[in-house]
Amino acid sequence: KNEVEQSPQNLTAQEGEFITINCSYSVGISALHWLQQHPGGGIVSLFMLSSGKKKHGRLIATINIQEKHSSLHITASHPRDSAVYICAVLERGGSQGNLIFGKGTKLSVKP
Amino acid sequence: DTAVSQTPKYLVTQMGNDKSIKCEQNLGHDTMYWYKQDSKKFLKIMFSYNNKELIINETVPNRFSPKSPDKAHLNLHINSLELGDSAVYFCASSTWALAEQFFGPGTRLTVL
Repeated sequence: KNEVEQSPQNLTAQEGEFITINCSYSVGISALHWLQQHPGGGIVSLFMLSSGKKKHGRLIATINIQEKHSSLHITASHPRDSAVYICAVLERGGSQGNLIFGKGTKLSVKP
Repeated sequence: DTAVSQTPKYLVTQMGNDKSIKCEQNLGHDTMYWYKQDSKKFLKIMFSYNNKELIINETVPNRFSPKSPDKAHLNLHINSLELGDSAVYFCASSTWALAEQFFGPGTRLTVL
């Protein structure tokens, strides 16, 4: 079993829908990252958080350390949001900066 | 200017060859990383390195070796390439271990 589990694996939505992607992890962490991998392959860091909630534009990320769970929300989804969203954790006490990745959630937003 | 750059973007080579992938960051970061993304799109850390310490993922074969000529560069050398080495390799950098990481565009390696 992977230390970082994401759900769903695949997600298809209509433009304008509210989207939630979930991430659960089994290790103690120092931080959690949400990354976006574009269809062309490039990876962009969306958020890094260790508690609470962060918002950037239409994206919101939350984390519950006690429950070892994080969610990524996209409001008013748009076809350009179509990408793979990857959750990654930095294990507490782990090697510097070495992220443990989930398998990603492939999001497709239809116009 | 690209923050984290990798060359080449594509690399096709024969089994048994030795090859290198270069990575450069112009962000002034202290820590750099190499990741491997397999055919199932699963990312895994290979190495992390700052000017003091190299951390190697124990699952990485010793045919892979990172080399850092200076703080802005972390190159990946691969000896005796095998079919299973075919993957996309990403370089990344950050200011320190708990900071946001910036990724390069990736290098798609195909071993024939």
